[in-house]
Amino acid sequence: EIVLTQSPGTLSLSPGERVTLSCRASQSVSNNYLAWYQQKAGQAPRLLISGTSTRATGIPDRFSGSGSGTDFTLTISRLEPEDFAVYYCQQYGGSPPVTFGQGTRLENK
Amino acid sequence: QVQLVQSGAEVKKPGSSVKVSCKASRGTFSTYAISWVRQAPGQGLEWMGAIVPIFGSAHYAQTFQGRVTISADESTSTAYMELSSLRSEDTAVYYCARGHNSLISTYFDSWGQGTLVTVFS
Repeated sequence: EIVLTQSPGTLSLSPGERVTLSCRASQSVSNNYLAWYQQKAGQAPRLLISGTSTRATGIPDRFSGSGSGTDFTLTISRLEPEDFAVYYCQQYGGSPPVTFGQGTRLENK
Repeated sequence: QVQLVQSGAEVKKPGSSVKVSCKASRGTFSTYAISWVRQAPGQGLEWMGAIVPIFGSAHYAQTFQGRVTISADESTSTAYMELSSLRSEDTAVYYCARGHNSLISTYFDSWGQGTLVTVFS
């Protein structure tokens, strides 16, 4: 099973700041099949990024993804108030079919 | 964009079973994988299994093998997840999510609103 480890667990930042979230896999993710989701309290997750770096429909370009192999990042270039949420990475290239990271919580300082 | 609407909250006793439904509208149902993902209170996301309705057979995460049954009814565009032998640790919000394609291993571009299942004696 591919285990995804996200770091840090929690980040306290202010609007306007730049942030980079990390997702590390226990083994190489096939085809860099790595997605990122945003989840706000009481809501379902929302797809941000698929295939490591492809933004989903309607996702602003301040969100960007990069990486390969076992190391992946999600960058938010300039935090907006609505970006404070929990972020999950997910791999879909290995076995079992799908695993998620444990999440990174982004808090408004 | 497909819309997934799930059945309402459930309260169950330990040892019983629960069946949650997920109805799709405004989009294609049969040829896309539907997965079930659960989230315990304050915890992360856990994939349980998936089905591609047109193919019929489901795939399950090892953790839930033998306790979960995922099915789909193409005539009503509805997927189901049944979890048996419930215990308190199964208290969670259960989500259905549509995959981007017909592969079991895929990412999810549409999610249901979630169904809270509480296991309580």
